[in-house]
Amino acid sequence: DAKTTQPPSMDCAEGRAANLPCNHSTISGNEYVYWYRQIHSQGPQYIIHGLKNNETNEMASLIITEDRKSSTLILPHATLRDTAVYYCIVSSANAGGTSYGKLTFGQGTILTVHP
Amino acid sequence: DAGVTQSPTHLIKTRGQHVTLRCSPISGHKSVSWYQQVLGQGPQFIFQYYEKEERGRGNFPDRFSARQFPNYSSELNVNALLLGDSALYLCASSLYYSSGYNEQFFGPGTRLTVL
Repeated sequence: DAKTTQPPSMDCAEGRAANLPCNHSTISGNEYVYWYRQIHSQGPQYIIHGLKNNETNEMASLIITEDRKSSTLILPHATLRDTAVYYCIVSSANAGGTSYGKLTFGQGTILTVHP
Repeated sequence: DAGVTQSPTHLIKTRGQHVTLRCSPISGHKSVSWYQQVLGQGPQFIFQYYEKEERGRGNFPDRFSARQFPNYSSELNVNALLLGDSALYLCASSLYYSSGYNEQFFGPGTRLTVL
């Protein structure tokens, strides 16, 4: 799986958008970009994933560059409860169509949302 | 619907002992993965099981073993415990899609302390 690079920490004011960057310059064609977050002492929580196109769900938006070498997770209106470690993960899928469960977590970005 | 459940929540063992951790996946999920998270690090992949067969193994010694039962629940076993095995052990379940991506749902984890 491709390696990802994230800033170790970021701050954001409550109510503002939080934009978390991730570099994955060695990503290959069949690899998805996943974002998970982990609030202190809890299990990681899935946020969003994408392959090529930008994606949006009720939690966040994922912007993937055209060359797929980087992406940005956007939390449109950050709240104090969004304070967590955010992990950007690139995970391969079997070309035959069945998926493989391994997620390779890095150190992630500690996002702190301030009042 | 119930999420992924793990038992016990906390466990204290001494060096050399054996431990068994249990995981029940989300209803309908056939794949279970195990991760180890030591303090200050991201989760590290240990095993993935699907349909009672091991489908993936991380870089862990043979002291670590697992199995999956017909109801898709799973056990992680660790023999000859070392101090370094102290960690949060996470279980994640997923559907085994043929579309090539694989959202994983994590349980709350079992906190293992080895003295």
